[in-house]
Amino acid sequence: EADIYQTPRYLVIGTGKKITLECSQTMGHDKMYWYQQDPGMELHLIHYSYGVNSTEKGDLSSESTVSRIRTEHFPLTLESARPSHTSQYLCASSERAPLNTEAFFGQGTRLTVV
Amino acid sequence: RKEVEQDPGPFNVPEGATVAFNCTYSNSASQSFFWYRQDCRKEPKLLMSVYSSGNEDGRFTAQLNRASQYISLLIRDSKLSDSATYLCVVNVLSGGYQKVTFGTGTKLQVIP
Repeated sequence: EADIYQTPRYLVIGTGKKITLECSQTMGHDKMYWYQQDPGMELHLIHYSYGVNSTEKGDLSSESTVSRIRTEHFPLTLESARPSHTSQYLCASSERAPLNTEAFFGQGTRLTVV
Repeated sequence: RKEVEQDPGPFNVPEGATVAFNCTYSNSASQSFFWYRQDCRKEPKLLMSVYSSGNEDGRFTAQLNRASQYISLLIRDSKLSDSATYLCVVNVLSGGYQKVTFGTGTKLQVIP
């Protein structure tokens, strides 16, 4: 089993609230990712990081922000949640090298904004 | 054009059938390839890597065709438990960094 954890697993919150989705991994991986996935739809990369103090925006524009102060921790923050943010958020990590390594996923956070 | 394309399906097949999925990628600099499996409302998990010479893991066979830029997954003797979405994943080394791109996934439903 992969050692990558997301909390909370489920979150229902009101519009306008600030939320932080937590993601931690104990594998010492340099690369971490956040994906957004609606039910039955494809994964969209919204943020990634190559290591500490490195953060990049992904292919899908997102109002969320991320930080990478420690290798093992890659939290995602929404300053003001809206119903359009309702989705599943998946965190993943992989080794930086060699290239041919798999990405390990957390179990996801299912966010509902009401 | 998407970087990684898959037929979304769904593929509805009877138990015991053989089913094949294809995936095409647009970046000829792509260097490593994977098939992931995602069960409904779960996270994706690695099914198998895809090697240049092709590789097999039990009922699953993966092949790579670099000239035509596609990879395939063959599932023999389908089981009900194979029902899931199968994601094609392509890694590209760009500027010294690895970029991971997921396909949209192909949904498989194995019917009793």
